[in-house]
Amino acid sequence: GENVEQHPSTLSVQEGDSAVIKCTYSDSASNYFPWYKQELGKGPQLIIDIRSNVGEKKDQRIAVTLNKTAKHFSLHITETQPEDSAVYFCAASRPSGAGSYQLTFGKGTKLSVIP
Amino acid sequence: DGGITQSPKYLFRKEGQNVTLSCEQNLNHDAMYWYRQDPGQGLRLIYYSQIVNDFQKGDIAEGYSVSREKKESFPLTVTSAQKNPTAFYLCASSFGPGVNTEAFFGQGTRLTVV
Repeated sequence: GENVEQHPSTLSVQEGDSAVIKCTYSDSASNYFPWYKQELGKGPQLIIDIRSNVGEKKDQRIAVTLNKTAKHFSLHITETQPEDSAVYFCAASRPSGAGSYQLTFGKGTKLSVIP
Repeated sequence: DGGITQSPKYLFRKEGQNVTLSCEQNLNHDAMYWYRQDPGQGLRLIYYSQIVNDFQKGDIAEGYSVSREKKESFPLTVTSAQKNPTAFYLCASSFGPGVNTEAFFGQGTRLTVV
């Protein structure tokens, strides 16, 4: 099956600095890569995603890059703000038979933005 | 207002008792999922269902059971056979077979065994 590794597990940055979270995946059949943000006591929410036919995607202060050859993808947050503090999860989705897909998640990165 | 509703938000159970967690969605999604979240473990898949009246075991199904009698509902029962049930449980849904897109999550149920 798929295995998704996520690093670092914790990350502290000063407000205004950039934050980068990296993930690797093992199954070359994975072709969809969402990123989720989870605030304390709440469910994860999608913040950005990328498909395997695209190398980079940007949405305001958030960007994701994908290197299919190396099987890794990264989340970049620029000009960080205290409200960016949360746990971030990467995930990889691959076909799992009969037209269905299965998401495998990384273990999460706890981002703390220091004012 | 479309979304996924999990209830209750907090649940306490005595050892040896079964307990059922509710998950309802009004997004017209075919697929629904249950994940367990423990500190430092990420999200681990318990059960999933791609269509009504069908469901499959995930990576950690032992001690859990589900049913999918209606498209909107996917309740999870934590049985007394689950050795370490205290955790945060998340329900999710997605469009289903043939569509590879994101999963939408509920707000979670925190289960504590006392």
